[in-house]
This record gives sequence, C-alpha cells and structure tokens, in this order.
Amino acid sequence: RKEVEQDPGPFNVPEGATVAFNCTYSNSASQSFFWYRQDCRKEPKLLMSVYSSGNEDGRFTAQLNRASQYISLLIRDSKLSDSATYLCVVNPTGKLIFGQGTTLQVKP
Amino acid sequence: NAGVTQTPKFQVLKTGQSMTLQCAQDMNHNSMYWYRQDPGMGLRLIYYSASEGTTDKGEVPNGYNVSRLNKREFSLRLESAAPSQTSVYFCASRDRDRSYEQYFGPGTRLTVT
Repeated sequence: RKEVEQDPGPFNVPEGATVAFNCTYSNSASQSFFWYRQDCRKEPKLLMSVYSSGNEDGRFTAQLNRASQYISLLIRDSKLSDSATYLCVVNPTGKLIFGQGTTLQVKP
Repeated sequence: NAGVTQTPKFQVLKTGQSMTLQCAQDMNHNSMYWYRQDPGMGLRLIYYSASEGTTDKGEVPNGYNVSRLNKREFSLRLESAAPSQTSVYFCASRDRDRSYEQYFGPGTRLTVT
C-alpha cells in the first residue's frame, strides 16, 4: 500500500464548479499535512498547510480527518487558472511524502 | 533573490555516461533535497542533506551520489546512467528551524538512451 494515495483523475469540471479531492495516508504518526500545486512541466509549490481544525484560504478549504486518515481539498467557484495537478503531502518522519497527484482541468 | 536554481534544464545521456546535476539556493536554508518525479509515481526522495556536511539516503538512492558542497549547493551525481534513471529531477530546500515548507527548483529533465 502506498503511504499517500490520491485519485489521479483527471477531474474535468466547468468554470464555476465546486470540486473536491481526497487523499488517504497510511502512517498514523503523521503530524503535518499539506497541499502543493504543480502546473504542467513546472515545479511544485505550496498551496496550503492542513490543520486539524480545518482551514480556508479564499476559495480553497482543506480538512483533516485523523481518525480516518484522510485529507481533503475543496475548491469553490473554479477558475480556468486552477487547472493543475494537486499533490497531497504528508510528513510522518520529518521528510515529506508526496502523493502522485490529482489532475484538475477546468473548462470554459 | 533567485530561490532555488538547477542546471542543466535538459540533458540527454547515453547508457553508462556520467553527469552531475547542480542545485543552489540563496535563501540561507539549512536543509536540501533531491527528488525524482516519474509518471504515476509522484515525487520520490533520492537523497537529502539536513545541514551542511551531512547527507542521508532517501527512498530511491541506488545509482546516485550526492555532495553538499557548502550551505548553498547540493549536487546529484549519476556515475553510470541507466534508462531507468530517465526522469525529471527536482532539487528543494527548506529552513528546517522555521517551517516544513519546501521550495523547489525548476527541475532537470533527463533522458537516458
């Protein structure tokens, strides 16, 4: 079983749609969680950290469920510019473990 | 402030050739990392350096060596390239005393024929 698993997609949605990605992790000792964004043929960049209480940054909401060991990312009012691959990242031992990513395509 | 820089951007090697990928950061970060990214596999850690003078193996170190030349620079060497090392290589750095956020370089696309 992979340490971090994501549905690779692609998720094809129209502009303005709400889309949600889930990610599961296997190491219950994991302490830190993140979502990174990676544009096509570019480097990953931090989108947001995920806190136990859930957190929001504009149209983006991240949530953590420790009991079920999953993390989610919700994007509201999707924009064309949101098209990218979203990487779920977990930190169980001081080193980051990356999921394979979920690809989002927002269509006009 | 350039962040993390990598050279070269692209490289084609023949099987058995050697080469060194260069990485430098100007953010005064103490930790640096080398990853490879393959389709469907996500980013996998090859080697990392928690601080100047130390290096440790990651998930997929076989076939690679690293050197932490100074605080700024962390190089990755392929001694005898194999087609299985065809990949995109990313270098990253982090200020381990302040955050878990890693800053990535633009990547090196390596093809081994």
